[in-house]
Amino acid sequence: GESVGLHLPTLSVQEGDNSIINCAYSNSASDYFIWYKQESGKGPQFIIDIRSNMDKRQGQRVTVLLNKTVKHLSLQIAATQPGDSAVYFCAARVKQNSGGSNYKLTFGKGTLLTVNP
Amino acid sequence: NAGVTQTPKFQVLKTGQSMTLQCAQDMNHEYMSWYRQDPGMGLRLIHYSVGAGITDQGEVPNGYNVSRSTTEDFPLRLLSAAPSQTSVYFCASTISASSPLHFGNGTRLTVT
Repeated sequence: GESVGLHLPTLSVQEGDNSIINCAYSNSASDYFIWYKQESGKGPQFIIDIRSNMDKRQGQRVTVLLNKTVKHLSLQIAATQPGDSAVYFCAARVKQNSGGSNYKLTFGKGTLLTVNP
Repeated sequence: NAGVTQTPKFQVLKTGQSMTLQCAQDMNHEYMSWYRQDPGMGLRLIHYSVGAGITDQGEVPNGYNVSRSTTEDFPLRLLSAAPSQTSVYFCASTISASSPLHFGNGTRLTVT
């Protein structure tokens, strides 16, 4: 199976600082990872993804790092803004059966990021 | 594109009542799924569909039915509501298993 957890349930940062949100996964067969942002009363919004053949991927103000050795990934947000305040969670995908196309996506519980002005 | 549209946004049911949560997407995505989100837990998969006419159970399917008669629509039916089904329900779609899910804004359901 797979379990996905986050190291801290809450994170508070000052506006302009960089934020780092961490996530650990349990199944070394996980091959695709996604970070989502969820604002209050809304659905999860895709931020960035990374496949297991990569260690790092950058987007606009966001970077995801993947360490397969320790089964850990992190989301870095540069120059954090008040609009970044939300719950962030990761998801990990693992193939259910070899040779097939059935995948299981497991979601973490989320970290609440609060940006202080 | 409206993306993934869910209705209603809020619903209160009494125990034993039935209802259908609607989900529609206009992105021509083959893959659609339903999740529930409960406090302190990650999103859990209820049912999913890889195309019109094809549905399968997820992690927590009991008490829910789905059908997929068209590519666009994927309704979730609660057959006989129970308080344990009080949750926020999200519908999601994607073009393939190798692409991220696109979520709707959810239906908040309370069963009394």
